[in-house]
Amino acid sequence: GQQVMQIPQYQHVQEGEDFTTYCNSSTTLSNIQWYKQRPGGHPVFLIQLVKSGEVKKQKRLTFQFGEAKKNSSLHITATQTTDVGTYFCAGGRDYGGSQGNLIFGKGTKLSVKP
Amino acid sequence: SQTIHQWPATLVQPVGSPLSLECTVEGTSNPNLYWYRQAAGRGLQLLFYSVGIGQISSEVPQNLSASRPQDRQFILSSKKLLLSDSGFYLCAWSPWGDQPQHFGDGTRLSIL
Repeated sequence: GQQVMQIPQYQHVQEGEDFTTYCNSSTTLSNIQWYKQRPGGHPVFLIQLVKSGEVKKQKRLTFQFGEAKKNSSLHITATQTTDVGTYFCAGGRDYGGSQGNLIFGKGTKLSVKP
Repeated sequence: SQTIHQWPATLVQPVGSPLSLECTVEGTSNPNLYWYRQAAGRGLQLLFYSVGIGQISSEVPQNLSASRPQDRQFILSSKKLLLSDSGFYLCAWSPWGDQPQHFGDGTRLSIL
């Protein structure tokens, strides 16, 4: 079936270190989205990338969408304890109208040691 | 602006009891609606989605069911809960299929 693979599953870093999570699809995506879920909370939408090769930044977070629109990455520079949580990517497939769907990766759980 | 309400926040139910979780969305019309389940420390499992009133698609066979009696109301039900139904249930909406989803606060369901 349709899958979006996300690695790594877990990442433990020292505060100040960088962090990257990767997302891969076997099929072309209409867009890629990233979500953050804080411990005990619900997933919160961070950003959507639509164009091939697109790069977007949010402060210390850099999001990339691959040229083939099959992979994506989220990079956090100089992690802080507030970055703790699980980061999910979600790949979109457009079937027209309201019938498209979004496939979530299994997430990367980030822990940050102060 | 759009808001999504989901209740209750926590629920403890005995095995074999019925379940009804409700989700409502405000500030938008004809949204796509979704029910997810998340086991502790795990990913999001899509249970049901709906593109309109009375239209329900099931992703995973189980003893749960969903209904959409009104445009902005989505209900998750079970006639008899199993131990394996424990988890964190999340409702979400999006304007259409492959667009960003916005989640409710979730319901933590424990089955005893």
